[in-house]
Amino acid sequence: GQQLNQSPQSMFIQEGEDVSMNCTSSSIFNTWLWYKQDPGEGPVLLIALYKAGELTSNGRLTAQFGITRKDSFLNISASIPSDVGIYFCAGIGGSNYKLTFGKGTLLTVNP
Amino acid sequence: EPEVTQTPSHQVTQMGQEVILRCVPISNHLYFYWYRQILGQKVEFLVSFYNNEISEKSEIFDDQFSVERPDGSNFTLKIRSTKLEDSAMYFCASSETERGGQYFGPGTRLTVT
Repeated sequence: GQQLNQSPQSMFIQEGEDVSMNCTSSSIFNTWLWYKQDPGEGPVLLIALYKAGELTSNGRLTAQFGITRKDSFLNISASIPSDVGIYFCAGIGGSNYKLTFGKGTLLTVNP
Repeated sequence: EPEVTQTPSHQVTQMGQEVILRCVPISNHLYFYWYRQILGQKVEFLVSFYNNEISEKSEIFDDQFSVERPDGSNFTLKIRSTKLEDSAMYFCASSETERGGQYFGPGTRLTVT
């Protein structure tokens, strides 16, 4: 089945630093989504990508959909303590509507 | 801002009992989903629902599971005879289009004892 490989597994950064995380797959995805999940809560949609090569920003967040439709990165600039959480990439591919999730990147921001 | 809501937030049940998890998707959305997340693991797809029928289901979604849209606003997941391994967070999600962004509810934590 389709799988997303997300890296790094965890990151420890200082407040104010920029951070980058990415996802790769051997399969092509039609839609690529980035979510943030806080403990005990549901995933919150951050950015949605629909076109190969698309670069989209949402405040301090920027994400790009790879040209081959098999990868994506998420950048967070000038991190703040509330950026702490687990970031998931997720994709919709093939003829179905389901989301396939990566395993997540745990971000810790030290004030 | 419209959001997906879920009730209850936490459900404790005994093995073998039936549970119904309830969701109210975003009102203008047409595609509905259930996912689950076992503690510490990634989110897994269970089922998608469109036009009053299941459009796709995963291997997890066996005969013990069913979904229903009983009226114009609610979307429910029923587990007929719960097992210990059904303990997880269950998330409802909805989207406006078939490959659009999916918006998740806050989840129901199901604990089977």
